[in-house]
Amino acid sequence: EAGVAQSPRYKIIEKRQSVAFWCNPISGHATLYWYQQILGQGPKLLIQFQNNGVVDDSQLPKDRFSAERLKGVDSTLKIQPAKLEDSAVYLCASSETIASGGYEQYFGPGTRLTVT
Amino acid sequence: AQSVTQLGSHVSVSEGALVLLRCNYSSSVPPYLFWYVQYPNQGLQLLLKYTSAATLVKGINGFEAEFKKSETSFHLTKPSAHMSDAAEYFCAVRGSGYSTLTFGKGTMLLVSP
Repeated sequence: EAGVAQSPRYKIIEKRQSVAFWCNPISGHATLYWYQQILGQGPKLLIQFQNNGVVDDSQLPKDRFSAERLKGVDSTLKIQPAKLEDSAVYLCASSETIASGGYEQYFGPGTRLTVT
Repeated sequence: AQSVTQLGSHVSVSEGALVLLRCNYSSSVPPYLFWYVQYPNQGLQLLLKYTSAATLVKGINGFEAEFKKSETSFHLTKPSAHMSDAAEYFCAVRGSGYSTLTFGKGTMLLVSP
């Protein structure tokens, strides 16, 4: 079974530029999560999708971050414009359902973003 | 609200020694608790989980954790450390959302020969 795929693995941009990350969850998984992991901290949930609908985006900085999952499969997270404090690893995770997500989430390898 | 505190950002052990990583939680509801491991440049992998069944939970790679409600703890242990156990370990509690997770800051486990 293929795992959660993310690209790119690494990205370096200057502040005020824009960037996008892509995630393809495990086939058949309805629920998709984006987490931000700043160095020295645990992952923090940014947004959660159930199919193509947003379940929770309460911690997403909506003035600069946006995410979509148009067809209920893969997802894109965008930052525009980026700030220095956005430097982090962005992790995508998926679970079969919302219910099963409370028991196990499967994580991708992450995208390491450096903003200079 | 739910929160997790991991004591010690770094823990060093010798190969073959006992591993003990500490986690205390705060939860307004009966907690579901998790331990994840993260190897360098990889995503998180579930080690084990407590979901209100047995208080002693066994996971992969010889790890286990015991849920102690009176101490609000869920410490992770392994009797004998192996070099391959060197990684960062995160304790998490199921958050306010039905399937959202709140993570601790992580503990880096260093294993020396």
